[in-house]
Amino acid sequence: QKEVEQDPGPLSVPEGAIVSLNCTYSNSAFQYFMWYRQYSRKGPELLMYTYSSGNKEDGRFTAQVDKSSKYISLFIRDSQPSDSATYLCAMSGRGGSEKLVFGKGTKLTVNP
Amino acid sequence: DAGITQSPRHKVTETGTPVTLRCHQTENHRYMYWYRQDPGHGLRLIHYSYGVKDTDKGEVSDGYSVSRSKTEDFLLTLESATSSQTSVYFCAISVKGLSSYNEQFFGPGTRLTVL
Repeated sequence: QKEVEQDPGPLSVPEGAIVSLNCTYSNSAFQYFMWYRQYSRKGPELLMYTYSSGNKEDGRFTAQVDKSSKYISLFIRDSQPSDSATYLCAMSGRGGSEKLVFGKGTKLTVNP
Repeated sequence: DAGITQSPRHKVTETGTPVTLRCHQTENHRYMYWYRQDPGHGLRLIHYSYGVKDTDKGEVSDGYSVSRSKTEDFLLTLESATSSQTSVYFCAISVKGLSSYNEQFFGPGTRLTVL
């Protein structure tokens, strides 16, 4: 079993839909949970990070971490065509100088 | 882009030839990383550095070596390229934020094809 599992999709939704992206993990030492967005032929860019369990909201994006279930989610409300990208979850044991472990990424297309 | 550049951006080479990829940063950050990204595997860490001349292996280090003689440059070398090393290579740096979290910023990537 890989440390981090992420459904690669692809996921296609209509504009305005609520999108749910998920990852599961097996290493209970993970403390920081990140979501990166990667546009085609670009480097990943950090969307949000969460420390330990709980929710974090930033505009249309909400990140949730459930450490008891080893499950993290990213919700995108009112999805836009500009949200079309690959979304990668990543995790680390400490503050980022620790090595990151990435999921495989989920490719999302938001259709106008 | 946090001042990260990678060169070359694209390279086509033949099996058995040596290849060196360069990552350059302009802000003197201590931690630097090399990842490769492949379909079906996501991003995987090759090597990382925590200071000049201080490097360590990542998940997929076989066939790769690194060097860091200056803070701003982190080189990745494929001693004898193989077709399995065809990939997109990303460099990243770790930047300390206001909290205890250190965010990793990624460069634009190098697309390497080994024929």
